[in-house]
Amino acid sequence: GEDVEQSLFLSVREGDSSVINCTYTDSSSTYLYWYKQEPGAGLQLLTYIFSNMDMKQDQRLTVLLNKKDKHLSLRIADTQTGDSAIYFCAEDPGGYSTLTFGKGTMLLVSP
Amino acid sequence: GAVVSQHPSRVICKSGTSVKIECRSLDFQATTMFWYRQFPKQSLMLMATSNEGSKATYEQGVEKDKFLINHASLTLSTLTVTSAHPEDSSFYICSALYPSGSRNEQYFGPGTRLTVT
Repeated sequence: GEDVEQSLFLSVREGDSSVINCTYTDSSSTYLYWYKQEPGAGLQLLTYIFSNMDMKQDQRLTVLLNKKDKHLSLRIADTQTGDSAIYFCAEDPGGYSTLTFGKGTMLLVSP
Repeated sequence: GAVVSQHPSRVICKSGTSVKIECRSLDFQATTMFWYRQFPKQSLMLMATSNEGSKATYEQGVEKDKFLINHASLTLSTLTVTSAHPEDSSFYICSALYPSGSRNEQYFGPGTRLTVT
């Protein structure tokens, strides 16, 4: 079945690194995604990783993928207060153009 | 590029009335759009997949007669909540599938907050 799990809450201090973890169950997922949602807004695509990669870096964002353990993480370096938001990981089971989202991790960055 | 808009951003309606929400891809053509519903502090629940020129595909448990979806052009999909009731109050988000080849790249609208009184 399809199920994406995330921890619900993470609190860090400004300037620290944040690591948000996600596990998924569908091994056929071709791409895995990270989205950011600010309060009262839609979702913003942050980054994605192809399933045959194990790492992708994009400025302050680093995505790590452990396909064997079906574990995905998003690392935000030098976290800023503007990074406070809910972060969703999503998988693309079987490439059917539908996404399965986790419940989201609320990241709170304190000054 | 890849901007998706929704209108209205907020709507309050009385119980029993119908409400239409528009989703537009502003700078690309989207043959497929998706409608999600999000409850407070919860994830997005896919309601239906909207394909241009054909009937929408609804997820299990979503009433197709209550949530009418029309995808009449490559840049516009509409969701009409018919005979709305307070339990339909929610945050509705659409997304449009960007034509990026093999990658499923969805761009989301800013959402519509529906309150039914």
